[in-house]
Amino acid sequence: DIQMTQSPSSLSASVGDRVTITCRASQSISSYLNWYQQKPGIAPKLLIYAASSLQSGVPSRFSGSGSETDFTLTISSLQPEDFATYYCQQSFNTPYTFGQGTKLEIK
Amino acid sequence: EVQLVESGGGLVQPGRSLRLSCAASGFTFDDYAMHWVRQIPGKGLEWVSGISWNSGIIGYADSVKGRFTISRDNAKNSLYLQMNSLRAEDMAFYYCAKERRKMATIRYFDLWGRGTLVTVSS
Repeated sequence: DIQMTQSPSSLSASVGDRVTITCRASQSISSYLNWYQQKPGIAPKLLIYAASSLQSGVPSRFSGSGSETDFTLTISSLQPEDFATYYCQQSFNTPYTFGQGTKLEIK
Repeated sequence: EVQLVESGGGLVQPGRSLRLSCAASGFTFDDYAMHWVRQIPGKGLEWVSGISWNSGIIGYADSVKGRFTISRDNAKNSLYLQMNSLRAEDMAFYYCAKERRKMATIRYFDLWGRGTLVTVSS
């Protein structure tokens, strides 16, 4: 199975900050990498698919980049509603493994 | 309204069975592959199982293979997860998710249900 490792596991930041979360795959997954946001008690929400494509309706302050094994999710200017947990997921092959999550907290 | 609604969760003893359902509405159900993803409260996401639009391709996580069975009824716009021989480690929220596919190989989950909680305890 492909292992997905996110860093950091948690992050404290302030409104207006630029934040970057990284995700590393244990083998090449081309650009088959998705990012989800999850708030407590709510199902995950798709942000980015295919490494860098913004899902419809998602604010443009979210962006994704990377390929093969190394990927990043960047939030250009944090808003209060962005404090949540973020997960990467590979869709290169099954099982579609997720990273362990990055919890973004208010500083 | 485009939505997925899970049901069937609850308290079950170790070794017993439970069947989860996911009702889809607002989109053409039989155009899409579907998946189950679970999450132990306070923990991360784990893909459990997936099924293609016509049930021709099915996959399972190793942790549930041989115990869980995914199925779908396109006439009823419904997805199912039959869970047998339940263990304490199966206790989690179970989400159904719709797979969107672009250019044949790009896959992602663009719609999720709210989840149903399965508690395994004696």
